[in-house]
Amino acid sequence: SQELEQSPQSLIVQEGKNLTINCTSSKTLYGLYWYKQKYGEGLIFLMMLQKGGEEKSHEKITAKLDEKKQQSSLHITASQPSHAGIYLCGADRGQGAQKLVFGQGTRLTINP
Amino acid sequence: DVKVTQSSRYLVKRTGEKVFLECVQDMDHENMFWYRQDPGLGLRLIYFSYDVKMKEKGDIPEGYSVSREKKERFSLILESASTNQTSMYLCASSLLSFLRETQYFGPGTRLLVL
Repeated sequence: SQELEQSPQSLIVQEGKNLTINCTSSKTLYGLYWYKQKYGEGLIFLMMLQKGGEEKSHEKITAKLDEKKQQSSLHITASQPSHAGIYLCGADRGQGAQKLVFGQGTRLTINP
Repeated sequence: DVKVTQSSRYLVKRTGEKVFLECVQDMDHENMFWYRQDPGLGLRLIYFSYDVKMKEKGDIPEGYSVSREKKERFSLILESASTNQTSMYLCASSLLSFLRETQYFGPGTRLLVL
């Protein structure tokens, strides 16, 4: 079965610094989703990537899917306290009905 | 605006109790999902439903059942709660289509079984 590995598991950065979170799959990714979760709350959809080499941005967050479609990265530029939370990547299992498998999450803390 | 609601944010139950977790979506989505989230394990799929009265087991269905009598409502049932079912439970919904569709999540229910 497909597994997703996220790294790092936790990350503490100074406000204003850039950071990157990685999501690696053992199999080809046909649909890769990034979500953000505030502590103790539900998941908020950030972006979806489908094509090899695809890159999407929203405000200060950029997500990329590599050409081989086995790794995705989430990059935050000039981090702010509002970026703090847990970031999860999810991948389409390719079994229809949009069932996803998720990574274990990356806990991001922003220090002022 | 897309909305998925869950009946409770926090629940405390005793071992052996029957527990109902309710999820409602107002987007007319066909697909609905129940996950549990545990530290270090990420989200794991318990059950999902792609239509009224239709259900399919996910990765960890043991100890759980589900009910979907109406399109907008998907219930997760713990027949006899056990302490290892203490967890955060998340409901999600998505549109059924030939395209890849985003799953929209509820706020979660944090369940403590004593």
